[in-house]
Amino acid sequence: KNEVEQSPQNLTAQEGEFITINCSYSVGISALHWLQQHPGGGIVSLFMLSSGKKKHGRLIATINIQEKHSSLHITASHPRDSAVYICAVYGNKLVFGAGTILRVKS
Amino acid sequence: NAGVTQTPKFQVLKTGQSMTLQCAQDMNHEYMSWYRQDPGMGLRLIHYSVGAGITDQGEVPNGYNVSRSTTEDFPLRLLSAAPSQTSVYFCASSYEYGGELFFGEGSRLTVL
Repeated sequence: KNEVEQSPQNLTAQEGEFITINCSYSVGISALHWLQQHPGGGIVSLFMLSSGKKKHGRLIATINIQEKHSSLHITASHPRDSAVYICAVYGNKLVFGAGTILRVKS
Repeated sequence: NAGVTQTPKFQVLKTGQSMTLQCAQDMNHEYMSWYRQDPGMGLRLIHYSVGAGITDQGEVPNGYNVSRSTTEDFPLRLLSAAPSQTSVYFCASSYEYGGELFFGEGSRLTVL
């Protein structure tokens, strides 16, 4: 079993829909990252979380340390949100999930 | 402020050739790292450094060497390229281990 599991692997949504991407991990961590990678593009950091919830524009990230679970929500999704979203956890090493491919159709 | 600069963006090698992927950051970050990204797999750590003169192996270090002579630079060397090293490589840095990561734009390497 991978230390970091993301779901779903692929997600197609209509513009305007509320989107949730999930990340579950099996190790103790000090922090969790959500990253975004556009097709053919580089990787940017969206959030770094160690507890609770963070919001940036239409993006919301939450983490439940006891349940070893984090979610990334996108409200009022837009085609420009189409990207790969990657969860990464810092335990005694940095481990990445395989990513969730999101496509938002107009 | 350029952030993390990675070169080259594209490279084609023949089996057995050597090359160096360059990575430089201008944010005075202590932690630097190299990853490879393969289809269907998450980013995998190759080597990392927590400061000048200090490097260590990650998850997939075989076939790669690194050095960290300055805070700014962290080159990745392939001594004898193999087709299995065909991948997209990313360099990243952070102020400290566990901190926000800043990535380079990536280098697509093909080994024939």
